Amino acid sequence: KNEVEQSPQNLTAQEGEFITINCSYSVGISALHWLQQHPGGGIVSLFMLSSGKKKHGRLIATINIQEKHSSLHITASHPRDSAVYICAVVGRSYNTDKLIFGTGTRLQVFP
Amino acid sequence: NAGVTQTPKFQVLKTGQSMTLQCAQDMNHNSMYWYRQDPGMGLRLIYYSASEGTTDKGEVPNGYNVSRLNKREFSLRLESAAPSQTSVYFCASSPQDPSNQPQHFGDGTRLSIL
Repeated sequence: KNEVEQSPQNLTAQEGEFITINCSYSVGISALHWLQQHPGGGIVSLFMLSSGKKKHGRLIATINIQEKHSSLHITASHPRDSAVYICAVVGRSYNTDKLIFGTGTRLQVFP
Repeated sequence: NAGVTQTPKFQVLKTGQSMTLQCAQDMNHNSMYWYRQDPGMGLRLIYYSASEGTTDKGEVPNGYNVSRLNKREFSLRLESAAPSQTSVYFCASSPQDPSNQPQHFGDGTRLSIL
């Protein structure tokens, strides 16, 4: 079982829909990252959070440390939101704190 | 501001050949990382450098070597390429390690080993 699990693996939506991507983890963490990987391959950091909620434009990220769960929400989705969204936790791995990545959620938003 | 620059973007090698993937960052970051990304798997850490002059193994270091040439540059070398090393390689940097700060990624190097 992976230490970081994302659901769903694939997601399709119509433009304007509200999107939720989930991330569950099984290790103790000090922070959680949400990343976006564009179809061309580049990866950008969207959020880093260790508690509560963060908002940037139409994107909202929440984390529940007790439940070891985070969600990424996209309001009023748009075709340009089509990408792979990756959850990564800062957890103890190989005796040091490093990012442990989920396998990603592929989102396609159709006009 | 270029951020993290990786070269080359694409490369095809024959089994047994060697090559070096280059990475440079212009953000004055202390920490740099090399990851590989394979279908159906999350990014996996190959090697990292927490600061200039130090390097450490990550999750999948076998078959690779690294050099932190200076604060800006962190290279990854495949001494004798194998088909199992076909992957997309990403370099990343962050102000410091551990990774409690956002990492900045390069655009990736798509490497095929025949």
